[in-house]
Amino acid sequence: EDKVVQSPLSLVVHEGDTVTLNCSYEVTNFRSLLWYKQEKKAPTFLFMLTSSGIEKKSGRLSSILDKKELFSILNITATQTGDSAIYLCAVESNTGNQFYFGTGTSLTVIP
Amino acid sequence: GAVVSQHPSWVICKSGTSVKIECRSLDFQATTMFWYRQFPKQSLMLMATSNEGSKATYEQGVEKDKFLINHASLTLSTLTVTSAHPEDSSFYICSAAVNEKLFFGSGTQLSVL
Repeated sequence: EDKVVQSPLSLVVHEGDTVTLNCSYEVTNFRSLLWYKQEKKAPTFLFMLTSSGIEKKSGRLSSILDKKELFSILNITATQTGDSAIYLCAVESNTGNQFYFGTGTSLTVIP
Repeated sequence: GAVVSQHPSWVICKSGTSVKIECRSLDFQATTMFWYRQFPKQSLMLMATSNEGSKATYEQGVEKDKFLINHASLTLSTLTVTSAHPEDSSFYICSAAVNEKLFFGSGTQLSVL
């Protein structure tokens, strides 16, 4: 059965801390792994990863994929209160245009 | 990026009534759209995959007669919650894939009294 698991489920940190969010997957015919940030309504796209070992970076956020060990991490450095959100990991399968979502990680950054 | 418009943003209805939610792709054509349900502080739960011109594919445990999906054109998919009950109260959100990325509507908060 295809599945995507994120950890931790929730996390509370202080401003300035660095956090690492994890996403592991077992998906047939892997095509890509995507990270999204959801604050109130629509999830917004962060990264798409298709190759192992190549870090994607955007400001204080970065992500990397390990296709051998079947996981990805999302790092956020120098966290700010505006980083508080649910972070979603999704894996796309080549089979039938399927996207599998993880359980999500709820991040709360306190001042 | 691609724009997906979802309407309404929120709706309150009485138990037993039906509610229709629209999902439109504004600047692209979407042969496939996805409908999700989300509970507070939880991830997205895929309900069904909507296919233009054919029947939707429902996930296990989702009642197709209760959650009617119509994808009559390449830019519009609708989800109708029929005979809504309080337990159907939830956040419903749609998405479409463009260039292997999912773009989401803004979601609909449904409250059934």
